[in-house]
Amino acid sequence: SYVLTQPPSVSVAPGQTARITCGGNNIGSKSVHWYQQKPGQAPVLVVYDDSDRPSGIPERFSGSNSGNTATLTISRVEAGDEADYYCQVWDSSSDPFFGTGTKVTVL
Amino acid sequence: QITLKESGPTLVKPTQTLTLTCTFSGFSLSTSGVGVGWIRQPPGKALEWLALIYWNDDKRYSPSLKSRLTITKDTSKNQVVLTMTNMDPVDTATYYCAHEHFTGFDPWGQGTLVTVSS
Repeated sequence: SYVLTQPPSVSVAPGQTARITCGGNNIGSKSVHWYQQKPGQAPVLVVYDDSDRPSGIPERFSGSNSGNTATLTISRVEAGDEADYYCQVWDSSSDPFFGTGTKVTVL
Repeated sequence: QITLKESGPTLVKPTQTLTLTCTFSGFSLSTSGVGVGWIRQPPGKALEWLALIYWNDDKRYSPSLKSRLTITKDTSKNQVVLTMTNMDPVDTATYYCAHEHFTGFDPWGQGTLVTVSS
């Protein structure tokens, strides 16, 4: 298995930048995917392969990955960005693992 | 447009076997590289991957639950079935199925809440 650690919560004011980290052993050598989950809804892929965005995802969502930390950055945060965010990687056995999740609160 | 929908019982008793069906459209599980995965989420908790099946019938299971899980596919019916044996109240969760094709799980079904209680 592979352990991915995220901060439980991140708070950000509207219009500011939120950064959500995902820590894992040498995670920089893996491709990281990020999901947004709003209350009562299924997760939605917002970033794949570290920094690519699926069609329909705003450019405000971006990602980076290096060393032992991957980061999802949400620029110009809006009230609608309030959600839980999960990172996900594929381990050396090609099994997927999810992070512990981060609740983003828009102040 | 790819869509997936989970179906199955909403309530199961402890020790029973859970059978969930994922019915999908907009893609074929005979296309190279395509997979369908099952992920669950206990109330208020994080996502947990359970199982994954690929176009070539390669099957993968969560190491911690492997002994209790079986995943199968019916390509002609566009369905993937997950069975989980010996259900326990801690298995109470929303169960999701999702499409996978090299770029992570996208999209997901709406999920189905399964409660384990006597």
